[in-house]
Amino acid sequence: DGGITQSPKYLFRKEGQNVTLSCEQNLNHDAMYWYRQDPGQGLRLIYYSQIVNDFQKGDIAEGYSVSREKKESFPLTVTSAQKNPTAFYLCASRVTSVSYEQYFGPGTRLTVT
Amino acid sequence: QQQVKQSPQSLIVQKGGISIINCAYENTAFDYFPWYQQFPGKGPALLIAIRPDVSEKKEGRFTISFNKSAKQFSLHIMDSQPGDSATYFCAASKYNTDKLIFGTGTRLQVFP
Repeated sequence: DGGITQSPKYLFRKEGQNVTLSCEQNLNHDAMYWYRQDPGQGLRLIYYSQIVNDFQKGDIAEGYSVSREKKESFPLTVTSAQKNPTAFYLCASRVTSVSYEQYFGPGTRLTVT
Repeated sequence: QQQVKQSPQSLIVQKGGISIINCAYENTAFDYFPWYQQFPGKGPALLIAIRPDVSEKKEGRFTISFNKSAKQFSLHIMDSQPGDSATYFCAASKYNTDKLIFGTGTRLQVFP
């Protein structure tokens, strides 16, 4: 089955702890993205990567970090510097050469207390 | 200039009716306009998309209408079904960029 896998589906952390969200794709897509979704605010871009070992900040990158060591993997770390980390996090990917279309994973709901 | 404004915030439609969701944008450089459907607790799924070289695109019960001069586009769901109950997001982007700008979403409820 081709697709995007995000794990875990639910994640709970204490305030002050860093946490890493996993995103894996077996679609052979070049670009990968992380979005944050809050009620009533749509999706906001955190980071994106067009190729391995390269990534760019999106609109709300503060308090987050990413890496892209492999084409199929794009993990997101939510650091303790992120002031309001509780949200639904969505990973997406795209074949950049032929298509605009971004395909989304099932999401990870992070709750920080 | 980067915003996409979506309305209404919520919509209640009777089964068999037409659901209409509207979006407006400012940036005339946008040239790709997708609509995503999202069920609770799931990731958004691409429903239908349009480029500005056409004024309408239809796929099954779903139609995008695009008005370039007014900088508006809309999603029409014909013969709405309870299974269509979901949140719908419009978005826009420029060719060969990675930034999809999303609207704030419309929660659609279709009652039998």
